[in-house]
Amino acid sequence: KAGVTQTPRYLIKTRGQQVTLSCSPISGHRSVSWYQQTPGQGLQFLFEYFSETQRNKGNFPGRFSGRQFSNSRSEMNVSTLELGDSALYLCASSLVAGVWGSYNEQFFGPGTRLTVL
Amino acid sequence: QQQVKQSPQSLIVQKGGISIINCAYENTAFDYFPWYQQFPGKGPALLIAIRPDVSEKKEGRFTISFNKSAKQFSLHIMDSQPGDSATYFCAAIGANAGNMLTFGGGTRLMVKP
Repeated sequence: KAGVTQTPRYLIKTRGQQVTLSCSPISGHRSVSWYQQTPGQGLQFLFEYFSETQRNKGNFPGRFSGRQFSNSRSEMNVSTLELGDSALYLCASSLVAGVWGSYNEQFFGPGTRLTVL
Repeated sequence: QQQVKQSPQSLIVQKGGISIINCAYENTAFDYFPWYQQFPGKGPALLIAIRPDVSEKKEGRFTISFNKSAKQFSLHIMDSQPGDSATYFCAAIGANAGNMLTFGGGTRLMVKP
């Protein structure tokens, strides 16, 4: 079974530009979450999507947005890029959305390395 | 606000030794505590997880110890091997937080041959 796929793997942008990152979950997985990984802040939750609906959102500005398609693929968008947005953006998929008291293993992709100049 | 604090930031252990990584949390709503292992160029991968109604869980050479009253949990890697050299993250999820993981800051483990 193929793992989580993220494209592109590397991206270089300049300040003020916008960027779209893509994530294809494991076949059959319907929940997709996004995380930002930086040396200073570590791994931080961005948002979670299930059945094309955003279920949870982390503490990030509105420049960060996402969406999920009917085939469970997800994209995240960052507008008006800032230098501090340079990070590894990780996507994780799981079979279903987390429900009260029930936890599903999340499988992470290799990430997209975004560099903002 | 860092809700899960992890220590040490880095750790060097001799082959065959025991690696110990500690985490402490603040939010009593956390209900599930996984540990992730990340190799360079890869995403984190689930290693082992525990729920707070259990004080210890062991899977092979990996053991989680959990102290609910102290709000602390730790990962022990027995008979550490060079192949265990990676960054380890503790994490926590709240009972009503969906799949939203709150991560500790990470520990870079190096196992010397």
